[in-house]
Amino acid sequence: GNSVTQMEGPVTLSEEAFLTINCTYTATGYPSLFWYVQYPGEGLQLLLKATKADDKGSNKGFEATYRKETTSFHLEKGSVQVSDSAVYFCALLLGGSYIPTFGRGTSLIVHP
Amino acid sequence: DAGVTQSPTHLIKTRGQQVTLRCSPKSGHDTVSWYQQALGQGPQFIFQYYEEEERQRGNFPDRFSGHQFPNYSSELNVNALLLGDSALYLCASSLVDNGYTFGSGTRLTVV
Repeated sequence: GNSVTQMEGPVTLSEEAFLTINCTYTATGYPSLFWYVQYPGEGLQLLLKATKADDKGSNKGFEATYRKETTSFHLEKGSVQVSDSAVYFCALLLGGSYIPTFGRGTSLIVHP
Repeated sequence: DAGVTQSPTHLIKTRGQQVTLRCSPKSGHDTVSWYQQALGQGPQFIFQYYEEEERQRGNFPDRFSGHQFPNYSSELNVNALLLGDSALYLCASSLVDNGYTFGSGTRLTVV
């Protein structure tokens, strides 16, 4: 079946550090890939997406590249801020399906 | 433009009771999906409504049921509540496959 695996959290960083959150997927076909962010007490917000291999999604300084050869979609940011502290979810959506599959989420804590 | 609105924001119920959660989709969206998010977990798909019909269902028992109204708003009903039903319930709306917009959720606590 389809699944998304994310690195265990929490990821704890100092402000201005480089961030990588790993995400790999298993899918029968070629999915679209997404990163969502959930701030405390809120719902999920779409952060970025990529719809085909080698596409790079980017938003608010975050980037992720769709790597078909490694079935990965790692999230990166060059310099994190305290306000980036949140839970990040990787997700996939197969063509013809209406329902995304989510990973378990990775908590990011950024200290001043 | 209002996003997805869910009510209530918090709710406490007793085991065996029934609960109804409500969702108003983002303006222009016609599809509503419901998710259960347990503490520390990713969202688990419950079901999706489109054109007032349940289009797809996840691996949840029949105690979980729903409805979509002509104005695209939706309700999630859970009967015979169990302690394990305690979770954040998220509603997401969409138009075709153009990405989901999530509400802030309803925090249900079953005691």
